[in-house]
Amino acid sequence: GQQVMQIPQYQHVQEGEDFTTYCNSSTTLSNIQWYKQRPGGHPVFLIQLVKSGEVKKQKRLTFQFGEAKKNSSLHITATQTTDVGTYFCAGEGGSYIPTFGRGTSLIVHP
Amino acid sequence: DSGVTQTPKHLITATGQRVTLRCSPRSGDLSVYWYQQSLDQGLQFLIQYYNGEERAKGNILERFSAQQFPDLHSELNLSSLELGDSALYFCASSHTGAATYGYTFGSGTRLTVV
Repeated sequence: GQQVMQIPQYQHVQEGEDFTTYCNSSTTLSNIQWYKQRPGGHPVFLIQLVKSGEVKKQKRLTFQFGEAKKNSSLHITATQTTDVGTYFCAGEGGSYIPTFGRGTSLIVHP
Repeated sequence: DSGVTQTPKHLITATGQRVTLRCSPRSGDLSVYWYQQSLDQGLQFLIQYYNGEERAKGNILERFSAQQFPDLHSELNLSSLELGDSALYFCASSHTGAATYGYTFGSGTRLTVV
């Protein structure tokens, strides 16, 4: 079945440093979604990418979808303590049910 | 408040027992999805209902069952509970049968089996 791998599992950064998490699928995706889960909270939808090579920005967050539609990345510029949480990618193949990666937990040290 | 309501927030029960988790989707959403989140397995899809009908099934154990009622709320029934069933159970909803514009998650039910 479809597998979505996400790395790294954890990332410690100093406030102000950049952060990137990577997502790779074993199969070609129709779209990929990104979610953020704050500690003790629930996943919150951030964005969906659909087109090959697509790049979308939300303030300090930049999302990319690979040309082959099998990988994606989320980059945060100049992290802040409010960015703390776990970032999940969820890739949708042909089943209309996204497969979630294991997530990357971002820890920001002030 | 995401608009998806889950009750109860916390549940502590003994092994072998049965519990029911409840979810009310966001107003206007027809699909309900159940997910289990544990430290070692991440977010695992259990089952989806769309407008009262089962639409998709994931890694749901035979001891678990769900249904969606005419008012679109859903219940997840967990029986013969084992220690390994301890996890966060999330309900999510979407307007259509696919998560085309992302899921809206509820705040979850934390189940502890002792």
